[in-house]
Amino acid sequence: KAGVTQTPRYLIKTRGQQVTLSCSPISGHRSVSWYQQTPGQGLQFLFEYFSETQRNKGNFPGRFSGRQFSNSRSEMNVSTLELGDSALYLCASSLALAGAEGETQYFGPGTRLLVL
Amino acid sequence: GDSVTQMEGPVTLSEEAFLTINCTYTATGYPSLFWYVQYPGEGLQLLLKATKADDKGSNKGFEATYRKETTSFHLEKGSVQVSDSAVYFCALSGRGNAGNMLTFGGGTRLMVKP
Repeated sequence: KAGVTQTPRYLIKTRGQQVTLSCSPISGHRSVSWYQQTPGQGLQFLFEYFSETQRNKGNFPGRFSGRQFSNSRSEMNVSTLELGDSALYLCASSLALAGAEGETQYFGPGTRLLVL
Repeated sequence: GDSVTQMEGPVTLSEEAFLTINCTYTATGYPSLFWYVQYPGEGLQLLLKATKADDKGSNKGFEATYRKETTSFHLEKGSVQVSDSAVYFCALSGRGNAGNMLTFGGGTRLMVKP
């Protein structure tokens, strides 16, 4: 069974631009979560989607948004990019709601975003 | 809120040495606990997990026991290999709608020398 895939793997943008990242979960998984990884802040939760609905949101500004499609694929969008948005963005999928007892999230390889 | 604290790295060991990476947590209720590993240039891979007190997770020679009384989930391996060099993350997830996210520790870089 194919793992979580993320596209693109690398991206370079300039300040003020916007970017869209894509995530395809493991087949049959209905929950998709997004995390930001930076050297300074570590791994931080962005948001979680389940059945096309946002179920949880981390402490990030409204410039960060996402959505989930009926096939469980998810996209996240960052508008008005800032230098501090440079990071590795990781997507994770799980069968049901992450946090259910023993539920495991499986991570993709990430999209590395560099903002110049 | 929930939090995870890991020992800071890097941890440098010789091959076949014993490994311990400390992890303690603060959480309401009874979280599930995880260890993830990240190799250079890659995403996170689940190493092991435990879902209730006194559970022991194990995989590839790594072990960790869920200790509720000390709120700890220390990672151990009896004999490390060069291929174990990576960054290790301890994480917890709550239960139900209030805790559907993973809270991670800061990560511990392990370097194993031949």
